[in-house]
Amino acid sequence: NAGVTQTPKFQVLKTGQSMTLQCAQDMNHEYMSWYRQDPGMGLRLIHYSVGAGITDQGEVPNGYNVSRSTTEDFPLRLLSAAPSQTSVYFCASSYSGGDEQFFGPGTRLTVL
Amino acid sequence: RKEVEQDPGPFNVPEGATVAFNCTYSNSASQSFFWYRQDCRKEPKLLMSVYSSGNEDGRFTAQLNRASQYISLLIRDSKLSDSATYLCVSRNSGYALNFGKGTSLLVTP
Repeated sequence: NAGVTQTPKFQVLKTGQSMTLQCAQDMNHEYMSWYRQDPGMGLRLIHYSVGAGITDQGEVPNGYNVSRSTTEDFPLRLLSAAPSQTSVYFCASSYSGGDEQFFGPGTRLTVL
Repeated sequence: RKEVEQDPGPFNVPEGATVAFNCTYSNSASQSFFWYRQDCRKEPKLLMSVYSSGNEDGRFTAQLNRASQYISLLIRDSKLSDSATYLCVSRNSGYALNFGKGTSLLVTP
């Protein structure tokens, strides 16, 4: 099993550009989520999904969209990138809400 | 104010030392607690869950005090490989996890 995979590993964007961060898991987990990690702020939840077709907002959802058309994939879309979105983005999945969350290796995003 | 608060450290300890981290949580309705470990520029990984009765996994002991709303992690006989950031995590009734900012540990020879 590959576990949780994320692409790209690194990305540089200009302000106003849009892009999609990809996340996939091969563990048949129902629960998937996106976090961002900033120095001095810790991990903060952006969006999460409890199953295909179901998504909900986390602590910091503004500027991001998600969809969950399959169990395996949970892409995160930046609609119009801003410098404040410079961060490390982690995708995570778990079998059920209370179980261990498995994190992907992260995407380091810089917005100029 | 974050739901989970931790001393960021860094904690610098010699090999073989015992070190303890504490964290506090603000939501008395929190149901589950965990310690995750994060190596530099890597993803977080579950170290251990924290149970009400306390639990041990090798050199690591976790304890929960619901009355005072704090969680602790004790590391005995520290190894160089224990150097990392330790994240204290709570979960309320839903799915979302609340992460502390992390405590940095450096074990020196």
